[in-house]
Order: sequence, then structure tokens, then C-alpha cells
Amino acid sequence: DIQMTQSPSSLSASVGDRVTITCQASQDISNYLSWHQQKPGKAPKLLIYDASNLETGVPSRFSGSGSGTDFTFTISSLQPEDIATYYCQQYDNLPFTFGPGTKVDIK
Amino acid sequence: EVQLLQSGGGLVQPAGSLRLSCAASGFTFSSYPMNWVRQAPGKGLEWVSTISGSGGRTYCADSVKGRFTISRDNSRNTLYVQMNSLRAEDTAVYYCVKTGAMATMSQFDYWGQGTLVTVSS
Repeated sequence: DIQMTQSPSSLSASVGDRVTITCQASQDISNYLSWHQQKPGKAPKLLIYDASNLETGVPSRFSGSGSGTDFTFTISSLQPEDIATYYCQQYDNLPFTFGPGTKVDIK
Repeated sequence: EVQLLQSGGGLVQPAGSLRLSCAASGFTFSSYPMNWVRQAPGKGLEWVSTISGSGGRTYCADSVKGRFTISRDNSRNTLYVQMNSLRAEDTAVYYCVKTGAMATMSQFDYWGQGTLVTVSS
């Protein structure tokens, strides 16, 4: 199975700050990586797919990059509504696997 | 607009059975693989099972193999998971999830609202 790790596990930042989360796969997954946002008590929502493609309707302050084993997710200017847990997920191989999540809140 | 409306769930005793349903609308259901993903209380996301658009191919996690069966009725635009021999560790919110392309190995693009399954005596 492909193991996904994320760092940090949590972070606290001010409104307007640039926030960066990293995700690492235990083996090469090309660009078959997505990022999902989960707000408290809600279902996850797709933000980024194929490592860097922004899902339709998602604000442009969200972006992703990387390929192979190392990936980055960035919020260019943190907004209060971005308070959530963010998960990376690989879909290169079954079983599909998720990272443990990064909890983002406002300082 | 894509909608995934889940039903079923609730409290079940250990070793019991339960079936979850997911009624889909807003897209050509039979063209897309569908998935179940679960989330134990306070924990992360765990993929459970996937079924191809035709229903001819299914895949599931080792943790549920032999106990859970994914299926779909394309005439009713509905996805199911039959869960047997339930254990306490199956307690979770279960999400119905659409695949974003016609290939199985694609991103998950829409999530249902989730339904809680509690396994307890």
C-alpha cells in the first residue's frame, strides 16, 4: 500500500497569511494526487486534482504543485472560511490512501 | 447539479448487518465509478470500496474484504454497500463518493452528506 504523510499536522496562521502544507507519498505516484478540504461536521470537498488542477468553482487562492513523491498545497492568503482540515489523497494505486490531515485554524 | 443523497445507517449490534444507499442525480450515473469512504469518529479518511460504472468490477479494502459488498443499480441511479459481520471498529461516518472521470483511477470529485454507522451492543 502507498503511505501518505502530511506536515504539519496542524497550524495556526493569521488572516492574509500564506499557508503551505506538504504531502509525501511512499512511492512514485506521478501526479495522481488530490487535495480535499473538510470543514467541521461537513463532508470533504475536492479542491485540487492531478496535483495542480483547480476544481471548478474553487477560489484561486488555493493551489497545488509537485509530482512523483513530493507535493505542496498552498493557500496564498488565508481567509476565515478556510478553517478546515486538509487531506491529500493518492489515486495512482489501489487501495486509495489519504494523508492523516492538516488542521488549519486562525491565530 | 450533482447530488448524492445517502440513506441507511444507524445503530447495529456487533455481528449485525446494515445496508447503506446513495441516490445519485445530476450526472450520467452509469458512466462513472463510485466509491465508499469512511471516517471513524475524530479520525481521518479511509477508502472502503469502489465499483466500476457498469458494476462489473469491484474493489475493496482488506479491512472489509469478505464482509462488505458494494453494488449499484444503474436503472435506479443508486449505489449500495451491504455491510455484514459488523465490528466495533466499523463505527464511522460513511460517505458515498463519485469518481471524477470514467476511469476508476481518478480523483473523487463529489461527496455525499455522510451517514453514521454505530456498531455497539
